[in-house]
Formats: sequence, C-alpha cells, structure tokens
Amino acid sequence: DQQVKQNSPSLSVQEGRISILNCDYTNSMFDYFLWYKKYPAEGPTFLISISSIKDKNEDGRFTVFLNKSAKHLSLHIVPSQPGDSAVYFCAASDSGTYKYIFGTGTRLKVLA
Amino acid sequence: DTAVSQTPKYLVTQMGNDKSIKCEQNLGHDTMYWYKQDSKKFLKIMFSYNNKELIINETVPNRFSPKSPDKAHLNLHINSLELGDSAVYFCASSPDGGSNQPQHFGDGTRLSIL
Repeated sequence: DQQVKQNSPSLSVQEGRISILNCDYTNSMFDYFLWYKKYPAEGPTFLISISSIKDKNEDGRFTVFLNKSAKHLSLHIVPSQPGDSAVYFCAASDSGTYKYIFGTGTRLKVLA
Repeated sequence: DTAVSQTPKYLVTQMGNDKSIKCEQNLGHDTMYWYKQDSKKFLKIMFSYNNKELIINETVPNRFSPKSPDKAHLNLHINSLELGDSAVYFCASSPDGGSNQPQHFGDGTRLSIL
C-alpha cells in the first residue's frame, strides 16, 4: 500500500528552465511533507519542507506547493542548474506516528 | 566531520552469515533510525531509537536486531542472512524524533548476499 507516490520516475529539463517534480499521497492524516535530494552513493539530504497549515514554502530557487484537497505536492526548481541533477524523494509524516513515508523518487537530469 | 557515518560502505557476504552495520552521529541528536532501500528504490523505516529506547519497530524479521549503546550510536545486526536482505541500508538521525523535523542521513551501506 503505497501512501506516497511519485509517478514520474524521471524528468529531463534544460538548464535555466523550471523543473517541476510531483508527489501524491493518500493518507489525509499526513501533516508534514519534505523533499530530499540524493546523489549516487550518498544518503538523501534534506531540501525543503512544508507543514499542512501552509500551501507554499520557498527557499531560494526551491519552492514547494501543497494542495491538500488534491493530496498533491510539487517541488519547483527555478532556474534549474546541472548540479540539480539527482534523485528527488518526497516524504510525508503524521504527528501521531513519527514515521516518514517516502515516495520512490524522481530522477532529474538538467541538461547544459 | 561527517554528521552521520556508517560502516562499512559495502558489504558482500554469503547466505547464512551474520553481519553488523555500525552508525554514529555527531549532531547531538536524540533519535536515530534504520531504513532499508530495496531494489524497487522504496526507502522504508525499519527501526527508530530515542535516547537508547526503541520507539519504532516495523514488521521486520527478528533476524534483524538493532542495538543502541548510547544515543550517538545505533548498530544493526543481521543473523542468518538471506538473498532478500540484499539492499542499501541507511542510518539517519533527528533532534528528538518529532514528525516535523528533517532527518539527516548517512551515505548508506550496500549489502550484497551471494
């Protein structure tokens, strides 16, 4: 039972353009969402998060949008840079369980 | 000065053997975790300890036994290794286990069972 889904396994974007990575979830109890970035042979590193009381959070080139009614979040990267090429995982948690549930990741390739 | 470090990075062993993976964090965090990333790239929580106490124990075979000698260390011992145990195992930590705290991950241990 996959509670967090990233339906696009891969995405290619030209340098300087916007990258949009999507994530859907099924559990309405989730109240905190995160995006992680992972390079090969390294662990995931935290990128940005959003609480369910917000619908947008911005940090530099990275913005996360949350649509609770659609149970959908997205990560926007603008402008995209070659160094952004990595696998991006979304994760969700609810304050009752203290567990993160991860999606399967989207591999982003930014073309120079 | 790596924040969360795991050893070894790679582990190749035979079926039936017993092996351990070690994890240490120098972030002063109270909570540590073990995750398994399988061949389908699912990253799933296995265990979590808060200040040396087990707080999350997912449906994991009892061949897997975590041990936390102190809050900076969480080791994973696996008995009677099976082919299906082949995966990348990640250790992580967070300040106090709250669900609104980012977790910091180690670089993973790639376990291959022959």
